[in-house]
Amino acid sequence: AQKITQTQPGMFVQEKEAVTLDCTYDTSDPSYGLFWYKQPSSGEMIFLIYQGSYDQQNATEGRYSLNFQKARKSANLVISASQLGDSAMYFCAMRLRNSGNTPLVFGKGTRLSVIA
Amino acid sequence: EAQVTQNPRYLITVTGKKLTVTCSQNMNHEYMSWYRQDPGLGLRQIYYSMNVEVTDKGDVPEGYKVSRKEKRNFPLILESPSPNQTSLYFCASSFLGQGYSGANVLTFGAGSRLTVL
Repeated sequence: AQKITQTQPGMFVQEKEAVTLDCTYDTSDPSYGLFWYKQPSSGEMIFLIYQGSYDQQNATEGRYSLNFQKARKSANLVISASQLGDSAMYFCAMRLRNSGNTPLVFGKGTRLSVIA
Repeated sequence: EAQVTQNPRYLITVTGKKLTVTCSQNMNHEYMSWYRQDPGLGLRQIYYSMNVEVTDKGDVPEGYKVSRKEKRNFPLILESPSPNQTSLYFCASSFLGQGYSGANVLTFGAGSRLTVL
């Protein structure tokens, strides 16, 4: 069964600094996708970035980058130049790529607080 | 705008009063799913659908029903709500398939906060 572990319940970062949110995963399936979602206090789930298990390069989307280390089964999210609006819960998630039901399996999340 | 729309966003109801949370997507996605989010338990899948008239149970289906009569709609039905169904509910959709482009990214609705008294 798949499992996502986020070991940091809460993180603080100074505005304009970079921050890394940790995520490790466990699956025996070779074909999967890794995702990060942001959940602000308003509650919606906002997709940030995606990394496929066969992708050779780390994914980047603006200020977000994913540090993918397949051998270590880690998929850490790096946010550069933090902004006050980055304060939110961040969820790492995994989805297998097959033809059956492919639910998104979530970690417990990390609450990021950006300090001015 | 490509989106998943859920209604109502907020609802307070009483035990036993049937309710339906609607979900509609405009992206022609085959796959749709309902999740509930509870403190300390994270997000858990309730039901999913891989196409019209094809639905199946997720991890926590008890007390819920769904239907998929049209590709764009996937309502969640609580026939007799109980207080343990108080939660934040999310509908999500995506394409199916094994592409490597991230095309199976799940797009979430804004969430429906349900309180059952």
